[in-house]
Amino acid sequence: DSGVTQTPKHLITATGQRVTLRCSPRSGDLSVYWYQQSLDQGLQFLIHYYNGEERAKGNILERFSAQQFPDLHSELNLSSLELGDSALYFCASSIREGTYEQYFGPGTRLTVT
Amino acid sequence: GQNIDQPTEMTATEGAIVQINCTYQTSGFNGLFWYQQHAGEAPTFLSYNVLDGLEEKGRFSSFLSRSKGYSYLLLKELQMKDSASYLCAAHQAGTALIFGKGTTLSVSS
Repeated sequence: DSGVTQTPKHLITATGQRVTLRCSPRSGDLSVYWYQQSLDQGLQFLIHYYNGEERAKGNILERFSAQQFPDLHSELNLSSLELGDSALYFCASSIREGTYEQYFGPGTRLTVT
Repeated sequence: GQNIDQPTEMTATEGAIVQINCTYQTSGFNGLFWYQQHAGEAPTFLSYNVLDGLEEKGRFSSFLSRSKGYSYLLLKELQMKDSASYLCAAHQAGTALIFGKGTTLSVSS
C-alpha cells in the first residue's frame, strides 16, 4: 500500500458523458501527478500539480481538466468521453516539486462503452 | 523530441540473472527511474539514477550512462514473483516522467 488513494476503482460510462476521478496523496506529499495507461500507449503523463498550482502539462486533451484543492486532494475531470479514453488512470504523489520517488495509487479503470 | 526504448518482452528462468536495457533521447534530462508493475496493479519504485554508474539495491541494480543515453536494470537470483513489467522512465526538466512502454519479464521454473 503506497498511501495514495484513488476512487472509484472501476467506472463504466457511455460515450459523451463526463466523469470525475479523485486522488488523495500520501500524507505530507505536496505534488500530485496524473497518468493515463492504455494497452497500446503505455504510461502517459497528463498533468502535475504542486501545492494547489499547476506545474506541468503533458499529453492532456482539452476535454480533460484537473485541479488540486487546499487539502491537497486532486480531481481529474474527463468530459465528452470517447471510446479511446478507456484506460487505467493513475495518480502519483511525491513530497517535493522535483520528480523524486513517486508513489502511485491503485488506479481507476475507466471503461467507455 | 523525446523517446524511450526498451525491449517488449524477455524470458528467463528462476535463479538466473537478467538485464533489461533502456535507451532514451530527451531534452533537459535530469535522471532515470525504473519501476516494476504487476498486471493490473500500480507501478512501484525500484531505482533512481542521476549520476553515471551503478546503483545496487539488494537483488536489483541499475546503471546509467548519461553520455550514451543508456540505462539498464539488472535482476539477480530471479524469482517467480519477479514476473512483471519493468518500466524505464526519464525525468525531463519542467515536466514529470516520460515512460517507456515497458518490458514484460516472464520467469519460469
